[in-house]
Amino acid sequence: EVQLLESGGALIRPGGSLRISCAASGFMFDKFAMSWFRQAPGKGLEWVSAMSYDLRGTYYADSAKGRFTISRDNSKNTLYLEMNSLRVEDTAIYYCAKWGAAGGVVADDWGRGTLVTVSS
Amino acid sequence: EIVLTQSPAALSASPGERVTLSCRASQSVSTQLAWYQHRPGQAPRLLISSASDRAHGVSDRFSGSGSGTEFSLTISRLQSEDCAVYYCQQYFNWPPNYTFGQGTKLEIK
Repeated sequence: EVQLLESGGALIRPGGSLRISCAASGFMFDKFAMSWFRQAPGKGLEWVSAMSYDLRGTYYADSAKGRFTISRDNSKNTLYLEMNSLRVEDTAIYYCAKWGAAGGVVADDWGRGTLVTVSS
Repeated sequence: EIVLTQSPAALSASPGERVTLSCRASQSVSTQLAWYQHRPGQAPRLLISSASDRAHGVSDRFSGSGSGTEFSLTISRLQSEDCAVYYCQQYFNWPPNYTFGQGTKLEIK
């Protein structure tokens, strides 16, 4: 059974930094691209970032470019998102997801998310 | 950026009924469209990819159709567990710049 467990969410001041993690199990982590999505309070889903299985490709939404860095450690089956210069509008539940459908570009398994709150 | 517009924003239906949710794209996405179900407090769940391919383990009560700019998700024989928000998402662009619709909230009476 695929399991994705996000952690590291916290209350952070505007301008601060935070790294969140996603521990994966139940599948061959190093064979799949992985992604981060988020959902702000009262809003819909938003794609944030993605990384290829072999670490060669990293992709970001405009809202994340220049501030967020996605990374992964295939030896630890873990995906990360380093977030810098955090803004109030980055407040959201952050979900990690495995890209396993439609030839590996659609998220077919998701975690339950970790809450990041940016507030003074 | 490709904008997805879902309609209706919310609807209410009774168990056993059939409902159809719509998703319109601002430009053609071919059939590169997915549908997700999101219940409060739970992980989003992939229902449909490639506009009409049901994901593994998804009931045949869920069916998707469409191409280009017009898509629909039909849920038949509604059950109480279908109460959720449903999102469409396009994955037409590469490098990815995936976008979601604003969601349709389905209530079961």
